[in-house]
Amino acid sequence: GAVVSQHPSRVICKSGTSVKIECRSLDFQATTMFWYRQFPKQSLMLMATSNEGSKATYEQGVEKDKFLINHASLTLSTLTVTSAHPEDSSFYICSASEGQYGEKLFFGSGTQLSVL
Amino acid sequence: AQKITQTQPGMFVQEKEAVTLDCTYDTSDPSYGLFWYKQPSSGEMIFLIYQGSYDQQNATEGRYSLNFQKARKSANLVISASQLGDSAMYFCAMRGNGNNRLAFGKGNQVVVIP
Repeated sequence: GAVVSQHPSRVICKSGTSVKIECRSLDFQATTMFWYRQFPKQSLMLMATSNEGSKATYEQGVEKDKFLINHASLTLSTLTVTSAHPEDSSFYICSASEGQYGEKLFFGSGTQLSVL
Repeated sequence: AQKITQTQPGMFVQEKEAVTLDCTYDTSDPSYGLFWYKQPSSGEMIFLIYQGSYDQQNATEGRYSLNFQKARKSANLVISASQLGDSAMYFCAMRGNGNNRLAFGKGNQVVVIP
């Protein structure tokens, strides 16, 4: 089946630094990717929709200047957490589908971000 | 707006037994898709099964089957012959008409005991 690779799996950074997370579709082209955030023992909350070649669409309450999304190619989307603070510590996970209405949405393995 | 409800508390299941995880949903979209994902302690989201709102038959994927009752707006997951490796969080999710944005339920914790 389709595979989505997410890197890094875990990152620890100092407050005020920026962190980049990559999401790659390995064996299919993903015109759209999605970024989610998950706090411990809670559900996934959609942060933004990443569209190849255009600006990302952010969900209400998500700061676009804080969470920069770049979808430069059909197989790569990046999420950059800028000037990270401890409250940004969370599990971030991306997903991608084959085609706009693909039945199977595949997720990356997630990134655990800890901001000290 | 779409809403997914999973209200069951954590569940203990005997190995080799079947378990049903409840999921109800609410949407005004005429066409939608329903998903179930498994999230083990390692964190990755593993796709289990998909049901389209216009599918005539209930979806099945190996030991997983979806009991889709459209009129009641429910999409319960049935796991047959539970295995120890089935211990995980299980999330029900919905995709609305025209896009692949998923709305997730709060999840069900399942622990399979030998």
